[in-house]
Amino acid sequence: DVKVTQSSRYLVKRTGEKVFLECVQDMDHENMFWYRQDPGLGLRLIYFSYDVKMKEKGDIPEGYSVSREKKERFSLILESASTNQTSMYLCASRSPTGAFFGQGTRLTVV
Amino acid sequence: DQQVKQNSPSLSVQEGRISILNCDYTNSMFDYFLWYKKYPAEGPTFLISISSIKDKNEDGRFTVFLNKSAKHLSLHIVPSQPGDSAVYFCAASYGGATNKLIFGTGTLLAVQP
Repeated sequence: DVKVTQSSRYLVKRTGEKVFLECVQDMDHENMFWYRQDPGLGLRLIYFSYDVKMKEKGDIPEGYSVSREKKERFSLILESASTNQTSMYLCASRSPTGAFFGQGTRLTVV
Repeated sequence: DQQVKQNSPSLSVQEGRISILNCDYTNSMFDYFLWYKKYPAEGPTFLISISSIKDKNEDGRFTVFLNKSAKHLSLHIVPSQPGDSAVYFCAASYGGATNKLIFGTGTLLAVQP
């Protein structure tokens, strides 16, 4: 069975903290993605990666960076968390027929 | 610039009736379309997809229709069940089978018993 696992379901962080969101897939997919979901805005693409050590900016990369050191792992980094980064973060791994999502991380920045 | 649009934020349907969710897109290069279902505090789950070379795809109670000339797709759920109550997102991609997905804003479907 296909599996995308995000390291945390819920996180509460303070403004200014560096935050790491981890995502692991077990399908040997090359393409992985980070989205955030906000009410009324749908899912917006933050960053994606086509291969190890390769990354491309999505539609809203400001305030974020990513790391892909191994094929199965794609990390999203908030360099200095801010309250406007409070959101649901979703990691996805892409196959030719679709994308498989993790369970999501609800991040609250206080 | 919203390339994929779901103009109805919400939809309410009686159990047993048909639910029709709509999606419009602006980019004629999109060649693959998908529908996802999402419950609160969970990740989206894949429902059904359609390639731009087709105009219809069916899977059980779910059927997706694609009208390329109108740049419009729709998801039909027949019959609707209370467990179908969720947010539905349409998504589109182009330029390769594993390229990025661009999502709409979602439609909240409520199926009333």
